[in-house]
Amino acid sequence: KNEVEQSPQNLTAQEGEFITINCSYSVGISALHWLQQHPGGGIVSLFMLSSGKKKHGRLIATINIQEKHSSLHITASHPRDSAVYICAVRGVGNQFYFGTGTSLTVIP
Amino acid sequence: NAGVTQTPKFRILKIGQSMTLQCAQDMNHNYMYWYRQDPGMGLKLIYYSVGAGITDKGEVPNGYNVSRSTTEDFPLRLELAAPSQTSVYFCASTTGVGLYEQYFGPGTRLTVT
Repeated sequence: KNEVEQSPQNLTAQEGEFITINCSYSVGISALHWLQQHPGGGIVSLFMLSSGKKKHGRLIATINIQEKHSSLHITASHPRDSAVYICAVRGVGNQFYFGTGTSLTVIP
Repeated sequence: NAGVTQTPKFRILKIGQSMTLQCAQDMNHNYMYWYRQDPGMGLKLIYYSVGAGITDKGEVPNGYNVSRSTTEDFPLRLELAAPSQTSVYFCASTTGVGLYEQYFGPGTRLTVT
C-alpha cells in the first residue's frame, strides 16, 4: 500500500468547471505539498501546508490533519490548467512520499 | 539563480554500461534528493543528502550510488545499467525541514536497452 493515495487518477472537465483532487496519506507528516507537472515534464511546487487552507489565485488547498486528508480545488478551470497534479508528503524525517498523480484535462 | 540543473536531458545506455547523472543547485540548499519516475507510478526516492558529506538511502537505492562533496553538487552514479533502470530521473533540493518549497530539476530521461 502506498503512503499517499490520490483520487481520481484521471479527470476531464469543461472549461469553467470547479475541480477537486483528493489526497489521503497514512504516515506522520511535517508538511504536505501539491505539485504540478506539465506535459513537458517539469515539476513545480504549488502549495506547502501543514494546517488549514491556502489560496493562490484560482487554486485552493486544504488539509485536515486529524483525517490525514488534503484537497486541491481549482475554480473556473481553464485549458492551461491541464497537467498532472501530484500530492507529496514530507515525513517526520527527511523523506518525501508521492502520490501517483491526477491527470487533469480541461476542454475548451 | 539557475535553480536546479540536470545533465544530460536524454541518454540511451546499453545494458551493463555505467554513467553519472549530474545535478547542481545554486540556492545553497542543504537537502538534495534523487527520484525516479516510472510511467503510472509516483516519484520514488533513490537517495538523499542533508548536507555535504552526508548521504542516505531512500526507497529504491539498489543499482545506484551518490556522493555529496560540495553543497552545490549531488551526482547519481548508475553502475551496470539494467533495463529496469529505464525511467525519468529528477533531482530536487530544499533548504530545510518543514514548510520549505522543494525545487525540481528538469529531469533526465534514461533508456537502457
